[in-house]
Amino acid sequence: KAGVTQTPRYLIKTRGQQVTLSCSPISGHRSVSWYQQTPGQGLQFLFEYFSETQRNKGNFPGRFSGRQFSNSRSEMNVSTLELGDSALYLCASSSGQTDTGELFFGEGSRLTVL
Amino acid sequence: GNSVTQMEGPVTLSEEAFLTINCTYTATGYPSLFWYVQYPGEGLQLLLKATKADDKGSNKGFEATYRKETTSFHLEKGSVQVSDSAVYFCALSDRGATNKLIFGTGTLLAVQP
Repeated sequence: KAGVTQTPRYLIKTRGQQVTLSCSPISGHRSVSWYQQTPGQGLQFLFEYFSETQRNKGNFPGRFSGRQFSNSRSEMNVSTLELGDSALYLCASSSGQTDTGELFFGEGSRLTVL
Repeated sequence: GNSVTQMEGPVTLSEEAFLTINCTYTATGYPSLFWYVQYPGEGLQLLLKATKADDKGSNKGFEATYRKETTSFHLEKGSVQVSDSAVYFCALSDRGATNKLIFGTGTLLAVQP
């Protein structure tokens, strides 16, 4: 079956702009998690959505937000971009019904902020 | 708070050599422990996991044992192949938030023929 799909794969923005990233989970998966990957901080958890509700949240400022739709697709938004937001943003899905910690990751959206 | 520390890379080995990548953790309670692998050009994928003390996770010839007394979850493989070249991430999750993983910084493994 198709894996986790993230769009766009690459994008360039300037400081102060906002960006929206999209994630389509594996069919049948109801949980979507987002992670930020940077060389300095590594992989950091942003938030998780399950059945359209935010279930867990990491330690990121309110500029980072997300949502999940009824078809389990998810979007994350970053407003008022800063240079430090340049990163690879990874989406991961899981069934969500019995959490095992087995996440299926997409290839990521690489954001560059100039 | 919870954290994961894993050995710095890159680790360069010859084919058929023995592999150990060290991972230690700090956590309250009894977390689940994972090793994820990222092959070149691909997303992360779960390699193995252990959910309680003394559990051994294994997959594709890789093994790791959940050691509560030393708070460690070292990854081992007896004979590496060129195809094992990848970045390996150790991770933990809280019992109450299983999909909220805390990752180590990753260790790049390069296996030479």
